[in-house]
Amino acid sequence: DGGITQSPKYLFRKEGQNVTLSCEQNLNHDAMYWYRQDPGQGLRLIYYSQIVNDFQKGDIAEGYSVSREKKESFPLTVTSAQKNPTAFYLCASRGSWGQGVRSKNIQYFGAGTRLSVL
Amino acid sequence: AQSVTQPDIHITVSEGASLELRCNYSYGATPYLFWYVQSPGQGLQLLLKYFSGDTLVQGIKGFEAEFKRSQSSFNLRKPSVHWSDAAEYFCAVGDNTDKLIFGTGTRLQVFP
Repeated sequence: DGGITQSPKYLFRKEGQNVTLSCEQNLNHDAMYWYRQDPGQGLRLIYYSQIVNDFQKGDIAEGYSVSREKKESFPLTVTSAQKNPTAFYLCASRGSWGQGVRSKNIQYFGAGTRLSVL
Repeated sequence: AQSVTQPDIHITVSEGASLELRCNYSYGATPYLFWYVQSPGQGLQLLLKYFSGDTLVQGIKGFEAEFKRSQSSFNLRKPSVHWSDAAEYFCAVGDNTDKLIFGTGTRLQVFP
């Protein structure tokens, strides 16, 4: 099945530890995104990547890092510098709706990873 | 500044009742508008989208939304709610570039 796979579903981080969240897609999408979701705050963009080996900071990039070595994969590392990492993390990729110059961008989401601090 | 406002944090309706979830946006360019639904502990599923043309758009699960440029609104409606519609609903706005701006969500509770 085509889709976006996030793993693990639940993750626990110890003080001072870096943890990496996995996001894999087999939709052949060029662009991928990481969002953080906190209760009552909607989704906030952490990082995004439009193409392999390139990525840009979003609105809340501090304490996070990413890589984009393969089109299918966009892992997110929550570093020890992120002092409040407890949240639900969502990965998305961007697909096209329509054809050619009339095509429009739509974001599709994975099932999320819930990160908690021990 | 670009923003999306969902004024209702939490809405409760009875099963079979009609539903309207409000969404207002502030966006400089012609907006593309989306509604997503999120079940507890899950990702977001696209319900419907508006790019241009007919201002009343139909989506999945019997939902529809109407784009009203004069009111900067894109309200989501459903004529008869089912218990399985209980979830959180997010409105989002963007253009044809890279980013979407999301509202803070409306949690829908459905009573039998």
